Amino acid sequence: EAQVTQNPRYLITVTGKKLTVTCSQNMNHEYMSWYRQDPGLGLRQIYYSMNVEVTDKGDVPEGYKVSRKEKRNFPLILESPSPNQTSLYFCASKEAGGGETQYFGPGTRLLVL
Amino acid sequence: GQSLEQPSEVTAVEGAIVQINCTYQTSGFYGLSWYQQHDGGAPTFLSYNALDGLEETGRFSSFLSRSDSYGYLLLQELQMKDSASYFCAVRSSYNTDKLIFGTGTRLQVFP
Repeated sequence: EAQVTQNPRYLITVTGKKLTVTCSQNMNHEYMSWYRQDPGLGLRQIYYSMNVEVTDKGDVPEGYKVSRKEKRNFPLILESPSPNQTSLYFCASKEAGGGETQYFGPGTRLLVL
Repeated sequence: GQSLEQPSEVTAVEGAIVQINCTYQTSGFYGLSWYQQHDGGAPTFLSYNALDGLEETGRFSSFLSRSDSYGYLLLQELQMKDSASYFCAVRSSYNTDKLIFGTGTRLQVFP
């Protein structure tokens, strides 16, 4: 089944404790993105990647890191999480040149205490 | 700054037609997309307009007017399952995958 998977789905952590949210897609898509969703603010793009080893900042990259060492994986790293990073995070992927059909993962709900 | 404006909430009854508007103000424009998101779920892609005019996909249609920086999503023959949030999104530059989303419109369909 074609899908984008994220792990963990739920995470409670404390300020300053490094964490990684994994994202994997099995559709051989070139493009991948991370978004955060907060009430009243919609979806905001954190980082995106258009190919292996190619990443770029979205609208809200501060406090986040990403890497794209393999085509299928695009982990999101919070080196020193803070409470204002408490949010719902979505990973997404799409085909290059495939219009704008983007497939989203199920989301990761993060609470930073 | 760059922004996309949508109404925060729209209500309608089953079987009706509803239009969700999106007005954008961005540094560049390379297409308008629409996504649906049910409570507790992930966004799912609905439609995309790169050129002016109407695109139809079943009960859903999407319209774009680049001269007015405006688009809308039209939902016909509304069903209860259409109750969800709807987001418009703009690709604002050509050689990137940078997307800007609106804050979403919550559609409630009543019997």
